[in-house]
Amino acid sequence: GAGVSQSPRYKVAKRGQDVALRCDPISGHVSLFWYQQALGQGPEFLTYFQNEAQLDKSGLPSDRFFAERPEGSVSTLKIQRTQQEDSAVYLCASSIGGKNIQYFGAGTRLSVL
Amino acid sequence: GQQLNQSPQSMFIQEGEDVSMNCTSSSIFNTWLWYKQDPGEGPVLLIALYKAGELTSNGRLTAQFGITRKDSFLNISASIPSDVGIYFCAGQLPGGYQKVTFGTGTKLQVIP
Repeated sequence: GAGVSQSPRYKVAKRGQDVALRCDPISGHVSLFWYQQALGQGPEFLTYFQNEAQLDKSGLPSDRFFAERPEGSVSTLKIQRTQQEDSAVYLCASSIGGKNIQYFGAGTRLSVL
Repeated sequence: GQQLNQSPQSMFIQEGEDVSMNCTSSSIFNTWLWYKQDPGEGPVLLIALYKAGELTSNGRLTAQFGITRKDSFLNISASIPSDVGIYFCAGQLPGGYQKVTFGTGTKLQVIP
């Protein structure tokens, strides 16, 4: 597709379950970003990849959060032992690289019960 | 985490009115960005500003990069119903740092 694609769009998890969220960036985009958006707030940075290298993971809230991009294209954000405070929209963005425009996907809305 | 301070938090306006919103930061940014987010969608970039003092327009939208590099504003002229949504300012720090820091958002409602 032409844009950033995220799946699933909605995910309901029981507290303690592990979840995996997928991001398909725009083809050829070198940079990939994950953001977390709590209800009524702006997106907050989680982590950044340049190709397959994770160059910044300073925004990951705990060691339960893990992201990977093994072939420099598709990325997966994994959250282990989900907690209620993990409920949020998780947004993925990609860019050509450098400080070029970041294009966002529609996000995955995670609800932890 | 750190977020930019954006005001107003929300606003109701009549169709046809002009709108102004602004954003301030305690940090200096090299790039200021303005995004719009519709319900159930990701943010979409409206305007990007790269130099202090820069004034840029995109149709009915005008944004300025403050001289101090710690603030920016967005104006929307002659509002229409499809302008409804949440507007976010965002900034990028100097250097090669690519992470975008977002504001708290301004929710705009347009009354036809």
